[in-house]
Amino acid sequence: GAGVSQSPSNKVTEKGKDVELRCDPISGHTALYWYRQSLGQGLEFLIYFQGNSAPDKSGLPSDRFSAERTGGSVSTLTIQRTQQEDSAVYLCASILSGTGSNYGYTFGSGTRLTVV
Amino acid sequence: KNEVEQSPQNLTAQEGEFITINCSYSVGISALHWLQQHPGGGIVSLFMLSSGKKKHGRLIATINIQEKHSSLHITASHPRDSAVYICAVSKGAQKLVFGQGTRLTINP
Repeated sequence: GAGVSQSPSNKVTEKGKDVELRCDPISGHTALYWYRQSLGQGLEFLIYFQGNSAPDKSGLPSDRFSAERTGGSVSTLTIQRTQQEDSAVYLCASILSGTGSNYGYTFGSGTRLTVV
Repeated sequence: KNEVEQSPQNLTAQEGEFITINCSYSVGISALHWLQQHPGGGIVSLFMLSSGKKKHGRLIATINIQEKHSSLHITASHPRDSAVYICAVSKGAQKLVFGQGTRLTINP
């Protein structure tokens, strides 16, 4: 697609429920990232996929968080047994590795997750 | 100390003023990124640079690798430039490390 697409754009869930957030990166972009931005906070790295390499999961805050990227394209971030502190905007970004472009990363519009 | 420090944290100026936002970093990098986030909006990548200077419209970004410092300049500022500007650094295609952002408000 023309941009990074994320769905849903908003998600309200009850504490303890599982949620799945989806990211559809730009076609051909080899690297995909998940970040989150909590209210009033800066951006926090979660996980990074690069081609067929093992993902860098070093930013995942707990084992309730997991992500996968199928076929080198679409990625799903899953949060199990959601807690109120998981409430944040979850952002996906992709980049064509090695690009010499001016602009670098392309970010999706994010999924605003609210845990009640 | 954060690996990426921005200043100022908040900046208010009048329309037409020349704006400078600074970013210093303490780690080795392959690229530095300037990002823009409007209130309630998504993040837009303004520049990715590894040396020298880049210009896009009224926006100019410079980087000094030896001093580990970058600046974002806005000429002839306009109220629509009001946003949070975020500096981030990367090594290759590795994760971005973000500064805390600079909240810019341009008054008419």
